[in-house]
Amino acid sequence: ETGVTQTPRHLVMGMTNKKSLKCEQHLGHNAMYWYKQSAKKPLELMFVYNFKEQTENNSVPSRFSPECPNSSHLFLHLHTLQPEDSALYLCASSQGSVRAYEQYFGPGTRLTVT
Amino acid sequence: GIQVEQSPPDLILQEGANSTLRCNFSDSVNNLQWFHQNPWGQLINLFYIPSGTKQNGRLSATTVATERYSLLYISSSQTTDSGVYFCAGTNSGGYQKVTFGIGTKLQVIP
Repeated sequence: ETGVTQTPRHLVMGMTNKKSLKCEQHLGHNAMYWYKQSAKKPLELMFVYNFKEQTENNSVPSRFSPECPNSSHLFLHLHTLQPEDSALYLCASSQGSVRAYEQYFGPGTRLTVT
Repeated sequence: GIQVEQSPPDLILQEGANSTLRCNFSDSVNNLQWFHQNPWGQLINLFYIPSGTKQNGRLSATTVATERYSLLYISSSQTTDSGVYFCAGTNSGGYQKVTFGIGTKLQVIP
């Protein structure tokens, strides 16, 4: 248990569906991150929020829409995804983005797009 | 840009054996870390080791920053050590973005 939870743990969705991934951290951190992990590829940083403000968008397609209502919660809204978006999506948090080297990760959501 | 390279890509060990995993990184990398991802996807931070040596039980890590490499030692391996080991680093600029290597997949067999 790392103090970062993600729901759902598994998600299967069609290309026309809309779904959301949720991340919650109980560590009092101020920065939250979304990563995508595909097979045989390094973890790819998608978005960074620092004190609820988005500070990084790593050229992510607009079909992925993040939302950070407060420092403890982070969402990833999904719509009209493609099969190549199937991957493990990991959320992480740290005590401010300047301490990105001390990130704590959630268990991930395994997403399958059919 | 930041480059983080790991070797070997795959490793199979008999339970009880020792192993060394290597991470080479470019000169713009700071704050080197090692992570373990278990077969269910959970990623755990093992070491934050920008330089020097640290030990935690059967695991230890050494980073030689001047030569831009880090080593992770696993002694007396157990089946629970199976998974993927990642090294990662942050850029040296004001904003710290973590870049991961592709990982070493370790399987420890009984």
